[in-house]
Amino acid sequence: GAVVSQHPSRVICKSGTSVKIECRSLDFQATTMFWYRQFPKQSLMLMATSNEGSKATYEQGVEKDKFLINHASLTLSTLTVTSAHPEDSSFYICSARGQEEATNEKLFFGSGTQLSVL
Amino acid sequence: DQQVKQNSPSLSVQEGRISILNCDYTNSMFDYFLWYKKYPAEGPTFLISISSIKDKNEDGRFTVFLNKSAKHLSLHIVPSQPGDSAVYFCAARLGWGKLQFGAGTQVVVTP
Repeated sequence: GAVVSQHPSRVICKSGTSVKIECRSLDFQATTMFWYRQFPKQSLMLMATSNEGSKATYEQGVEKDKFLINHASLTLSTLTVTSAHPEDSSFYICSARGQEEATNEKLFFGSGTQLSVL
Repeated sequence: DQQVKQNSPSLSVQEGRISILNCDYTNSMFDYFLWYKKYPAEGPTFLISISSIKDKNEDGRFTVFLNKSAKHLSLHIVPSQPGDSAVYFCAARLGWGKLQFGAGTQVVVTP
């Protein structure tokens, strides 16, 4: 199956710093990437949808200035958590859908990034 | 507003027996339902899906049943194997590629 690489897998940072998470599709071109967030014992919550070359669409309640998403190429999307605070500590995971997909329900997921803000 | 619910956080089943995972949803506009499997420190991987116009889909040891009137779906794994021990997420699609997930069910298959 298709491979989505997410980096870093774990990051610890001080409050007030910014953290960038990368999501790459390794063997296909991802026209659309999704960013999810998961708190312990809870479901994956969609944060935003990004399409290559255009602005991301954020879900209700997600601060676009806080979570900057860039999808500059068909293989790379980045999520930057700006001025991180302890309440931003969470598991972040990306998923990607290729343009050749006959059906779109099979999203391919990255391995996730555990962010801990001290 | 949690539109997809998995009310059982965990399930323990003996190897060789059937595992039944349940999922309830509230939005009748969902058009596709999916099950994902997740191991620790890895991303979810697609397992099986079902269209809202079907009531059953089978793939090897995995069968998904959909009851639209009850807004309920279930995943049956038979026979259960030790490698099936993982967290299983139910997801529902609303719009192109956007999924809503349940909280997951931790399955433990015991020898």
